[in-house]
Amino acid sequence: DQQVKQNSPSLSVQEGRISILNCDYTNSMFDYFLWYKKYPAEGPTFLISISSIKDKNEDGRFTVFLNKSAKHLSLHIVPSQPGDSAVYFCAASARAGGTSYGKLTFGQGTILTVHP
Amino acid sequence: DSGVTQTPKHLITATGQRVTLRCSPRSGDLSVYWYQQSLDQGLQFLIQYYNGEERAKGNILERFSAQQFPDLHSELNLSSLELGDSALYFCASSRQGLSNQPQHFGDGTRLSIL
Repeated sequence: DQQVKQNSPSLSVQEGRISILNCDYTNSMFDYFLWYKKYPAEGPTFLISISSIKDKNEDGRFTVFLNKSAKHLSLHIVPSQPGDSAVYFCAASARAGGTSYGKLTFGQGTILTVHP
Repeated sequence: DSGVTQTPKHLITATGQRVTLRCSPRSGDLSVYWYQQSLDQGLQFLIQYYNGEERAKGNILERFSAQQFPDLHSELNLSSLELGDSALYFCASSRQGLSNQPQHFGDGTRLSIL
């Protein structure tokens, strides 16, 4: 049962344009969402997160939007740069039975390629 | 550089053997997590420790065990290794192990079973 899904395996964007990466989830208990970027031979690097009490969080060129009713989140990168080319993972965590622990459930990833 | 250190970077061994993967968390982080990434499975949560105590368990095999030491570093022990255990093993750490705190990942240990 894949609780976090990234339906687009890849995305190709021109430098300077907007990149939009999408993620859907099925578990309504998820209340904290994160985006990670991963280069080959490196671990995932934390980019940005959002709590379920918000619908938008912005950090520089990165903005995450959360639509709880649709169980959907997206990451916008504006403007896109060639150095942004990487695999992007969305992840989610949930409080469970009053216990707050940090197990992350990851999507399968989207390969972003930004062309000069 | 996330500040999370994993050793070794690569490990090649044979079926039936036992290996130990080591992780040092970021300075100030009390919680450590282990994840497995295999080709067909994506990143899967194995186990979490907080300040030396086990806090949460995922689909970790009985052949696998972990611990977190008083200096907060953690070790993941894999025994009776099988071909299917070949994967990337990531360690992550967070400040207090809460569900609303980001986790910071090391660069992983690539385990190859021959």
